[in-house]
Amino acid sequence: AIQLTQSPSSLSASVGDRVTITCRASQGISSALAWYQQKPGKPPEVLIYDATSLEGGVSSRFSGSGYGTDFTLTISGLQPEDFATYYCQQFNSYPITFGQGTRLEIK
Amino acid sequence: QVQLVESGGGVVQPGRSLRLSCAASGFTFSSYPMHWVRQAPGKGLEWVTLISFDGNNKYYADSVKGRFTISRDNSKNTLYLQMKNLGGDDTAVYYCVRERSGWKLDSWGQGALVSVSS
Repeated sequence: AIQLTQSPSSLSASVGDRVTITCRASQGISSALAWYQQKPGKPPEVLIYDATSLEGGVSSRFSGSGYGTDFTLTISGLQPEDFATYYCQQFNSYPITFGQGTRLEIK
Repeated sequence: QVQLVESGGGVVQPGRSLRLSCAASGFTFSSYPMHWVRQAPGKGLEWVTLISFDGNNKYYADSVKGRFTISRDNSKNTLYLQMKNLGGDDTAVYYCVRERSGWKLDSWGQGALVSVSS
């Protein structure tokens, strides 16, 4: 199975900051990667798909980049509602796998 | 709008079975692949299984292969997850999820809690 390793596992930042979360795949997955945001007690919501495409209705503060094994999620100008846990997920091969998550907290 | 409503969760003893259902509405259910994703308390997301739009293709995580079976009834707009020989590691919230083209899980149910305990 393809392993996805996210870093950091947790992150403290302030409103207005720019943050970057990375996701590294154990083997190449082309662009078959999505990013999700999850808030406590809620199901996840897709932010980015196909590595770089912004899901409809999602703020343009969020952007994704990468191809192959290294991917990033960038949030520009953090807003209070952005403090949550973020997961990457690969669709390149079965079994589908998620990263372990990155918890973004308010500093 | 898209709605996915899970049911059938609860407390079950180790070694027993349970079946989850997911009622879909607001979209053409028979056109979409569907997944189950679970989340143990305080833990991350774990993909469980996928079924193709027509039910002909199914994939499973190694952790549930041979114990869980995914199925669907497109005439009833319903997705199922039959779980057998449950253990403590299966305790989790189970989400029913729709897959859209572009490699994304774009619609999630609110989840059904399965608790395996004696």
